[in-house]
Amino acid sequence: DAGVIQSPRHEVTEMGQEVTLRCKPISGHNSLFWYRQTMMRGLELLIYFNNNVPIDDSGMPEDRFSAKMPNASFSTLKIQPSEPRDSAVYFCASSPRMGGRETQYFGPGTRLLVL
Amino acid sequence: DQQVKQNSPSLSVQEGRISILNCDYTNSMFDYFLWYKKYPAEGPTFLISISSIKDKNEDGRFTVFLNKSAKHLSLHIVPSQPGDSAVYFCAASAVGNQFYFGTGTSLTVIP
Repeated sequence: DAGVIQSPRHEVTEMGQEVTLRCKPISGHNSLFWYRQTMMRGLELLIYFNNNVPIDDSGMPEDRFSAKMPNASFSTLKIQPSEPRDSAVYFCASSPRMGGRETQYFGPGTRLLVL
Repeated sequence: DQQVKQNSPSLSVQEGRISILNCDYTNSMFDYFLWYKKYPAEGPTFLISISSIKDKNEDGRFTVFLNKSAKHLSLHIVPSQPGDSAVYFCAASAVGNQFYFGTGTSLTVIP
C-alpha cells in the first residue's frame, strides 16, 4: 500500500499567487482530513470530508482557502491569493471512516513557503 | 483556543532512561486519546491510544496514563532509545467528533 500521497512536497511561491496542494488518500478510506502544522498552534484541522462530502470546514482560516474532493481518490486544498502567514506544513490524512476510533494515516506533508 | 496542550516544547533524555511526555486537555467530553510520533520530513504516525474507560494502556516500551480528574495524560517510554527521537503529538476526541492535536513535544534521546 502506497499510503497517503501528497504533492508537491515543497512549494515556494510569491505573495498573491494561487497555490494548489494535492492529496490521494489510501484506497478504501472514506474520510479525508486536511491539517496545517505551525509552531505556535501545532496540528490544526482545516477541513474534513466523509464519503467525498465536506463535513466541517470551520477550521479553514478564511475565504482564501478552499478544498474539494471530486472523487474518493483525490482532494485539493487551494489558497488564493496566498500570503506569507500561510507558510506552514500542510498534511493530508485519511481514515477508514469518520466517527469511529480509527487511526488517521498521514501523508508526508507539503511544506509551503510564501515569500 | 487550544483544547489540547503540550506545555513542554522539548525534552532531552539519556538513552536507557525513562522519557515522560505530558499532555493536558480542557474539554471534559473528550473520551479517546492518541499519541502520534513524527520524524522530520514525514507525516505523523500512530503510536498508542487510550479510551477514557481505562487509566493505563501499555504497548511494549510505551505506556500511556490517563488521569481524567486532572484532564491529563502522559506517555512513558522505557527504556528510551535514540530511535525514539522525534516529535510527539497527543490528540483527543469526543464521540463522533474530530481529533484535536497539541503543539507537539520534541524528544531527543542522547546516546
